[in-house]
Amino acid sequence: AQSVAQPEDQVNVAEGNPLTVKCTYSVSGNPYLFWYVQYPNRGLQFLLKYITGDNLVKGSYGFEAEFNKSQTSFHLKKPSALVSDSALYFCAVRDENSGYSTLTFGKGTMLLVSP
Amino acid sequence: DSGVTQTPKHLITATGQRVTLRCSPRSGDLSVYWYQQSLDQGLQFLIQYYNGEERAKGNILERFSAQQFPDLHSELNLSSLELGDSALYFCASSVGRRGVTDTQYFGPGTRLTVL
Repeated sequence: AQSVAQPEDQVNVAEGNPLTVKCTYSVSGNPYLFWYVQYPNRGLQFLLKYITGDNLVKGSYGFEAEFNKSQTSFHLKKPSALVSDSALYFCAVRDENSGYSTLTFGKGTMLLVSP
Repeated sequence: DSGVTQTPKHLITATGQRVTLRCSPRSGDLSVYWYQQSLDQGLQFLIQYYNGEERAKGNILERFSAQQFPDLHSELNLSSLELGDSALYFCASSVGRRGVTDTQYFGPGTRLTVL
């Protein structure tokens, strides 16, 4: 079975500071990992994904994520936070052995960036 | 804008009633997924269709059913509605060739309120 955990319900950061939103996963085979962002009353927007290759993945809006196989983590990062980054962030995983395309999502982390 | 459209945006109905939610995938996408998002359960995968056929099933209640039509749009039918069915219902689509590494693109959602 595949699972993903986002250990923080909320992350607070000041504008201009670096931000990290944590994600850990559990799969039986190789993981395929995704980050999505949800703004209020909107659908989920795709940010980035890791399939294979370079452990540092760059995505939309200046976000990047680092895949760490030994720690089974895929933390989302941004060097300098913006107030407009405030939103709900979801990590998701799919196991290469999961058959078809079932994605398992974490519970989400609310990011609040203060001016 | 992800290119996935959902109608209606909002739906208010009474317990015991039946509703139909509609989704049109992005142009060229063959897979459609349905998710339920609620405060207590988070984002739950319900069901996936690929080119008209059911491909994967998640935590979908027996009172719920879905189908994908030849033009690839999909409908989610919810019947005998209960208060606890109040939630945001998202549709997502992906190319669906191999499936496992596909990125899912989400629609704006339908907010269902059961009174």
